[in-house]
Amino acid sequence: DTEVTQTPKHLVMGMTNKKSLKCEQHMGHRAMYWYKQKAKKPPELMFVYSYEKLSINESVPSRFSPECPNSSLLNLHLHALQPEDSALYLCASSQDLGQWRDSPLHFGNGTRLTVT
Amino acid sequence: AQSVSQHNHHVILSEAASLELGCNYSYGGTVNLFWYVQYPGQHLQLLLKYFSGDPLVKGIKGFEAEFIKSKFSFNLRKPSVQWSDTAEYFCAVTDSGGGFKTIFGAGTRLFVKA
Repeated sequence: DTEVTQTPKHLVMGMTNKKSLKCEQHMGHRAMYWYKQKAKKPPELMFVYSYEKLSINESVPSRFSPECPNSSLLNLHLHALQPEDSALYLCASSQDLGQWRDSPLHFGNGTRLTVT
Repeated sequence: AQSVSQHNHHVILSEAASLELGCNYSYGGTVNLFWYVQYPGQHLQLLLKYFSGDPLVKGIKGFEAEFIKSKFSFNLRKPSVQWSDTAEYFCAVTDSGGGFKTIFGAGTRLFVKA
């Protein structure tokens, strides 16, 4: 079992809905990530938080809004999504970004999102 | 821009056959290299990693990978595959000059016939 917990596991939402994805880790990791994975494609980086501050935004549309309330939690707020946003959203964490470069990612099981 | 190429998208092997999956990356600076595996219905998990030192690294379940800096390659190998190795394998690179972003290759789907 993974040590990165994501909820919900599945989410169906309409294009006018507002929903949130949640991610939690208790490994003391200080870097947390959101990735998007379409079917039969590799994970694509969306956002990176380091020490609770947004470090990287890969030009993600503003209908995706990340939040890092504390070092253990990472949220992804969703609003006015499009059907093409349907995908598996993966949360990951790592010990650190830069200080310790030997810092692999630990992934959650993901939230499978369907936008109707 | 940094990129990761995996040469084989689908590989089918019989049990006990040897495996080699190719991975090349484009970044010329200092990199960390990883192989991740995703078993059917499971989360992505680390198979092995290269940070520094011996370019031949050993991971879990009998996998190993060799970093060849001159070829920008990090190929994954296993001498004898098992049916339980059926999974998708992703090569990934984290570079020190790109904000420590981890970029994944397209993945290789391995199917091992029993």
